[in-house]
This record gives sequence, structure tokens and C-alpha cells, in this order.
Amino acid sequence: SQQGEEDPQALSIQEGENATMNCSYKTSINNLQWYRQNSGRGLVHLILIRSNEREKHSGRLRVTLDTSKKSSSLLITASRAADTASYFCATDKGGGADGLTFGKGTHLIIQP
Amino acid sequence: KAGVTQTPRYLIKTRGQQVTLSCSPISGHRSVSWYQQTPGQGLQFLFEYFSETQRNKGNFPGRFSGRQFSNSRSEMNVSTLELGDSALYLCASSLGRSGNLYEQYFGPGTRLTVT
Repeated sequence: SQQGEEDPQALSIQEGENATMNCSYKTSINNLQWYRQNSGRGLVHLILIRSNEREKHSGRLRVTLDTSKKSSSLLITASRAADTASYFCATDKGGGADGLTFGKGTHLIIQP
Repeated sequence: KAGVTQTPRYLIKTRGQQVTLSCSPISGHRSVSWYQQTPGQGLQFLFEYFSETQRNKGNFPGRFSGRQFSNSRSEMNVSTLELGDSALYLCASSLGRSGNLYEQYFGPGTRLTVT
């Protein structure tokens, strides 16, 4: 069963704007990760945030984690056409049990 | 450093047949995980191997099996294929020492179509 649920399912914005995606999960976690997938290809790891962290930055990416609400958000600033992809959050419960549990993803389209 | 490779990239099989997919992890990575991706169910965890041992297993029937060799390369096998097995099969590798799942490096996937 899916642990994470991304919101929105799809998002279309203009190049240069910021994109925000949200993820909710159900159980306690060891860490939460965000991945990008281009058109049915393999996933690319973007950023990992541990359960004892609240915010993390990597380049144009900013991730927040609220363990009390069991939610996370991914912000992509100054979007580019190359950011067009599907974005997934994935949670690790710790110990690897159940593997990474992925949400269904947000499909992001950047309009030039 | 070469990335994760998967072979074959595309495969068409008939119901009832069996199939073997292969995954070569990044050099030095000892953990290999397998995932199935379908439009309906999304990404679902199949199993994880570490040092030739299955360390974790997802909720899939026994028709899905895997193994890992001493060089960390992994194979997964699906027997008695069903139409619902049509999917993109992704493998991911990581160092995997701690048992927790940190950054995973994914291969391009094998797209399996069952007719």
C-alpha cells in the first residue's frame, strides 16, 4: 500500500515561477526522500531529510518536514523547462522493512 | 563511476512464461532493491538483497523471486507471467551497510509487457 500521498497530482506553471509539492505519510519514519522521474525512466535522488531535521536545502530545492503532521513539502525555485518531470516522495521506516514506500507522485509541467 | 545498469531494457512475453531480469549495481554498492512501477499501483517494493542475502521483502506472491551474486549483481525472476505483471521494473543500489535506506541509485528500468 502507498504510504506517501503527493499533492497536487499535477501542476503546470510558467518557467521562472516556483513550484511547491506536498507529501503526506502515515507511519513514523527514519527519513523522507524526494526523487524525480523523467518520462518512464529511472528515478533520480534529489534530497533526503532525516526525521530529526525540519528543513534542508540543495541548490534550487528546499524541503521541509513536519513529523507531527506527517507531511513534507518540496519547493523548486526559479523553475526551468528541464524540471518537467514526475516527483515522488519516499519514506524509510528504518531497518529497510518494506523498502522505500513511494507516493503516487506529482507531475510537474514547466511551460516555456 | 558507471551507474546502475539493467538488462534487457524492453521485453515482451506471453502469459504463462517466465522471465529473468538483471541488474548490475554501482561498483562498491552491496545493497540492491527491486521495485515494480505500474500506472495503477505506482511504485511498489519487491525485495532487497545485501551481501547475497534477501534482507527485506515486499508483499508480492511467490512467483516473484530474486537472488544476488557475490559481485553484487542481482537477478529477479517472475514465473507463470500474468497480464498484470506488465510494468516497469526498477532496481536500485546503495551502500546499504546500516540497513536503513538512504540515497538509492536507480537504473533505467526494464519495461516488461505480458501479452
